[in-house]
Order: sequence, then structure tokens, then C-alpha cells
Amino acid sequence: DVKVTQSSRYLVKRTGEKVFLECVQDMDHENMFWYRQDPGLGLRLIYFSYDVKMKEKGDIPEGYSVSREKKERFSLILESASTNQTSMYLCASSLLGAQETQYFGPGTRLLVL
Amino acid sequence: AQKVTQAQTEISVVEKEDVTLDCVYETRDTTYYLFWYKQPPSGELVFLIRRNSFDEQNEISGRYSWNFQKSTSSFNFTITASQVVDSAVYFCALSEAPGGSYIPTFGRGTSLIVHP
Repeated sequence: DVKVTQSSRYLVKRTGEKVFLECVQDMDHENMFWYRQDPGLGLRLIYFSYDVKMKEKGDIPEGYSVSREKKERFSLILESASTNQTSMYLCASSLLGAQETQYFGPGTRLLVL
Repeated sequence: AQKVTQAQTEISVVEKEDVTLDCVYETRDTTYYLFWYKQPPSGELVFLIRRNSFDEQNEISGRYSWNFQKSTSSFNFTITASQVVDSAVYFCALSEAPGGSYIPTFGRGTSLIVHP
């Protein structure tokens, strides 16, 4: 079974803190994704990566950066957390190709105070 | 540009009722893929089904069925005899094949609440 894990299920941070969200997949997938989920807005793509050290901006990259130093690990970084970044963050991975299914992690609920 | 619309924000039914979740998509590509995912309260999206644009056959899996109609650009999902365990948010997604964006576009999701 494909397994996508995220470092935390719940996280509470203060405004201005640097926040790291880690995602690890164990199926040698090329693609990895970070989404943000907010009520009424569905899933919005923040960044994705199709290979090590490669990254592409999604629909809402502002205020975020990512890092992919190893194929299995994709990190989302909030350089200076703000209250409007309070959200559910979902990581996903897939093989390359439009027909490929995405596999999701359990999500991280981030609260920025 | 690809787009997915799930017009139903929330649906509430009583157990054993049938319910249909609508999904309408837009794409300029002739080759594309449609997906449905389920997100239970635990949070993790789970894959339910994938359909490619050349296969309009309806699919049935137990109480779940999917109706793909290219003429109306719809890929609707029906749950027959709903159960409380079906309560979840359901997402429809579209990705386009070579030449288009292979990154999936998701609809905003439909929250299904099944009351006992």
C-alpha cells in the first residue's frame, strides 16, 4: 500500500514563526503536491514537484516555499506564519502522468495565533 | 483551462436514501481523466474511481455508481441506499493528458451528511 505521511496532525504556531510541514511517501513517486483546504474553497494547490530539487508554483504560492532534497520527502515552509495561513494542509504524491491517481496524507491542521 | 464544478456544497439525506453528487467539467483537451475522491472526517482523501475520456461506460461498484456523459460534460456519482459511513466530503477532479496540464484540478467538494 502506498503510504504518505505528514509530520504532524495538529500544529499551533505564533504569528511570525517559521513553520515546517514535512511529507514523506514510500512508493518512489515522482510527483509530490502541497494543497491547502479551506471551507467552501476546496483544495487549492500551493506547490508541486515532479523531481528532486524541482518545484513549480501552484495557484496560491504566496507566503510559502518548498524543498525537495530527496525523492521521498517534500517540505512546505511558511517563512513567517500569518493568521490567514491557518488551514488544513494536505500532501499528496503520484506517479508522473495525467492518468495517475494521487495518494494523500492525513493532513495537518495548522492554527496560527 | 480546465475547470471542475461541484454545484452542491452540502447534501443531507436520511439513511437508505439514494443520493447523486454532480460534477461538471470543462476542458479543451480530447484526452483527459476524471476522478472521484472521498474525504472522511479523518481527513485523508481516498481515491474512488478514475475514468478516461474515451470510456463512457458507466461503472458500478457495490452501492456506488458513476455516470460519465461527454455530451453534458458531466461525471456524476450516485450512492444507492446511503449509509452513515458514507458521510464525507467528495471531490471530483480532472487532469488533462499530454499537451494539457496533467496536474489535477479539483472541484470545491460536496459534503454529504447521512443521518441515521
